[in-house]
Amino acid sequence: DVKVTQSSRYLVKRTGEKVFLECVQDMDHENMFWYRQDPGLGLRLIYFSYDVKMKEKGDIPEGYSVSREKKERFSLILESASTNQTSMYLCASRSNARGYTFGSGTRLTVV
Amino acid sequence: EDQVTQSPEALRLQEGESSSLNCSYTVSGLRGLFWYRQDPGKGPEFLFTLYSAGEEKEKERLKATLTKKESFLHITAPKPEDSATYLCAAQGGSEKLVFGKGMKLTVNP
Repeated sequence: DVKVTQSSRYLVKRTGEKVFLECVQDMDHENMFWYRQDPGLGLRLIYFSYDVKMKEKGDIPEGYSVSREKKERFSLILESASTNQTSMYLCASRSNARGYTFGSGTRLTVV
Repeated sequence: EDQVTQSPEALRLQEGESSSLNCSYTVSGLRGLFWYRQDPGKGPEFLFTLYSAGEEKEKERLKATLTKKESFLHITAPKPEDSATYLCAAQGGSEKLVFGKGMKLTVNP
């Protein structure tokens, strides 16, 4: 089975900090995605990548950037963290038979 | 625009009380309809993939079905451990899935 690993389960950061969320998949998948999940709003797509060094904006890219230097790793960057970016962040890798395989999530709190 | 709608948003059942969750979709050229289960504080876990109308998949107390406009997740004689949020997603012409907002199921003992 594909494994998607997110580096942190819980993070607490201060307003204005630069935050890096890391995601690694182990099955050579080309397509990777970053979502945030908030109560009542469901999953919202931040950024996605179809290949190394390629990225496309999702529905809510403001305040975020991404990096994909290697196929297996897709990083989400909060350039200057704000309290409205407190959320659950989910990374996913595209798997033909299963749609996505998700990581276990990172609960980010910005104080 | 592709869209997925789940209903109800939340459902409370007594243990053993069977019910169905609805997922309506409007997607051009459906390539797959997916169901996931998500426990609190965790990432969604894959349950089923359906590809064409009339298809059915089963796993323990869960059965997923698909029509041209809807998918249903039937839960037969649920147990408290079935309590979770259930997500439905559809794939059309893009590699991106379109998700519903989820349905929170609570099964009381």
